[in-house]
Amino acid sequence: AQSVAQPEDQVNVAEGNPLTVKCTYSVSGNPYLFWYVQYPNRGLQFLLKYITGDNLVKGSYGFEAEFNKSQTSFHLKKPSALVSDSALYFCAVMTPNAGKSTFGDGTTLTVKP
Amino acid sequence: DVKVTQSSRYLVKRTGEKVFLECVQDMDHENMFWYRQDPGLGLRLIYFSYDVKMKEKGDIPEGYSVSREKKERFSLILESASTNQTSMYLCASSFTGQAFFGQGTRLTVV
Repeated sequence: AQSVAQPEDQVNVAEGNPLTVKCTYSVSGNPYLFWYVQYPNRGLQFLLKYITGDNLVKGSYGFEAEFNKSQTSFHLKKPSALVSDSALYFCAVMTPNAGKSTFGDGTTLTVKP
Repeated sequence: DVKVTQSSRYLVKRTGEKVFLECVQDMDHENMFWYRQDPGLGLRLIYFSYDVKMKEKGDIPEGYSVSREKKERFSLILESASTNQTSMYLCASSFTGQAFFGQGTRLTVV
């Protein structure tokens, strides 16, 4: 079985400050890990993924995430937040055998000017 | 550019109606999915399909069925709509695990 947890329903940061959105996962085997962003009344957009290789993954819009196998975490980060980063963020995990991803419940990021 | 298109952005249907939600992808992906999204519950998988005419139940299949007659099209069917099926419905296709989502259909059942 595979599962993912996003422990924070809401994250608030000031514009220009660094942001972190947390994600932990549980799988049997090697995980594929993803982050998606959703703007109001829209579908989800892909931000970045970890399949293998370097633990630090860079993605769209200046976001990055670090795969930490010992802590089973894949936190999303950005060095300097923008107001336009305000959105709903989803972490997802998959194992190749499963063929389908399991999504977290989402974290609402609010960046204040 | 990759594209997943859902036939409607907004739908209002009456209780007991049969409802069809259509989804088309232009990427030749084998895997397609239907999710519903409700506040505080994240994305819940309704059904998915690995190939034409193949379907598998997800986590919440009750009250839904699906059809995949062609590779590019995956339809979600509400046999008899009920008010508790009011939700945002998201279609996706995937390749090597990365999902590509449609814009969503917000369905209201009255």
